[in-house]
Amino acid sequence: GAGVSQTPSNKVTEKGKYVELRCDPISGHTALYWYRQSLGQGPEFLIYFQGTGAADDSGLPNDRFFAVRPEGSVSTLKIQRTERGDSAVYLCASSLGGGPRHEQYFGPGTRLTVT
Amino acid sequence: KNQVEQSPQSLIILEGKNCTLQCNYTVSPFSNLRWYKQDTGRGPVSLTIMTFSENTKSNGRYTATLDADTKQSSLHITASQLSDSASYICVVSSTSGTYKYIFGTGTRLKVLA
Repeated sequence: GAGVSQTPSNKVTEKGKYVELRCDPISGHTALYWYRQSLGQGPEFLIYFQGTGAADDSGLPNDRFFAVRPEGSVSTLKIQRTERGDSAVYLCASSLGGGPRHEQYFGPGTRLTVT
Repeated sequence: KNQVEQSPQSLIILEGKNCTLQCNYTVSPFSNLRWYKQDTGRGPVSLTIMTFSENTKSNGRYTATLDADTKQSSLHITASQLSDSASYICVVSSTSGTYKYIFGTGTRLKVLA
């Protein structure tokens, strides 16, 4: 069956540029999560959507990072004025609902490299 | 501060051997603990999930244990295979505030022929 998909799989951009990363969750999943994973580290929480609204954006590192989910399905993570420190793998996960009983299913990630 | 620590950081074993990975956490209040397997270049895939009242959970050659009193968990891999080479991440969930996962840094396992 279709899992969580993310595009692009790889993105190379120059410092200072704007990038958008896309996540297509599993159909019917109302909860969507974005994580960032640096080399050799576990994923770090960025933002959680329940439906169209951001229920928790406490993990976004600063105001250069923004995410939307306008129709409660596809989500886009937007990074302005990229910095070399933003280089990481950005993972998206979705679950049937929010809360501990629902398994999160992860996409393959987008590897972002800022040169 | 909610934290999840894993050991060892990396491990190399021969095919067919067993190994045990460790996870210590300070997350509170505790909801559940999951072990994930992450192949290189892929997203994490869940292996086991345990709640407070569960002490052990098996999934094929993978057996996870949980001691909620000492806040420790282990993942035991039996009769390792080359395909077990991956990172194994311990993930603890809290019911405090908005539900979210707290990830460990992972143990990188390499199984050699």
